[in-house]
Amino acid sequence: SQTIHQWPATLVQPVGSPLSLECTVEGTSNPNLYWYRQAAGRGLQLLFYSVGIGQISSEVPQNLSASRPQDRQFILSSKKLLLSDSGFYLCAWSVGTARNSPLHFGNGTRLTVT
Amino acid sequence: AQSVTQLDSHVSVSEGTPVLLRCNYSSSYSPSLFWYVQHPNKGLQLLLKYTSAATLVKGINGFEAEFKKSETSFHLTKPSAHMSDAAEYFCVVSETGGFKTIFGAGTRLFVKA
Repeated sequence: SQTIHQWPATLVQPVGSPLSLECTVEGTSNPNLYWYRQAAGRGLQLLFYSVGIGQISSEVPQNLSASRPQDRQFILSSKKLLLSDSGFYLCAWSVGTARNSPLHFGNGTRLTVT
Repeated sequence: AQSVTQLDSHVSVSEGTPVLLRCNYSSSYSPSLFWYVQHPNKGLQLLLKYTSAATLVKGINGFEAEFKKSETSFHLTKPSAHMSDAAEYFCVVSETGGFKTIFGAGTRLFVKA
């Protein structure tokens, strides 16, 4: 069966520090991968998605970036964190882009920028 | 264009009473519709999905939802609420899948003892 791992579970970082969140998927090949952010009272915001190794699409311009160095690995990064980057970050995967393919989510990372 | 509206930001029920979480959607095509549940500080878990087969969809944990095209609704129900059902619920519409998936704003369900 497929599983998704996301770490760390919680993170407290000072403003201006770098960020690296990692997500890996097991049990499937060539998944579509996604990074979402969930800020308090603002619902889910799609940040990045990837349909293959090295292919990244950005939905929202900001100081975050994403990379996909391996088929089942997705990394969210920042060179300098802002207070507004605080939130709950969720990685997800799907099989292809068919409309009946649901998203499968990791357990998330709670990021607090101080 | 597609959109989804969850009609209630908060719903409060007593344990053992029915649950109704309302969702309306808008889509130019025949969409797929999903309900997800999120417990505090956890990821979203798929409850059920509708993909143009049976209009009454049964999901996990006793939840079900009915697709009504004439009303453009996909309401989530459960006959008897349990304390463990307290969580946030998201209605989701997808015309083409993947990054074109649209999430509702969420409904927080409170269950009173």
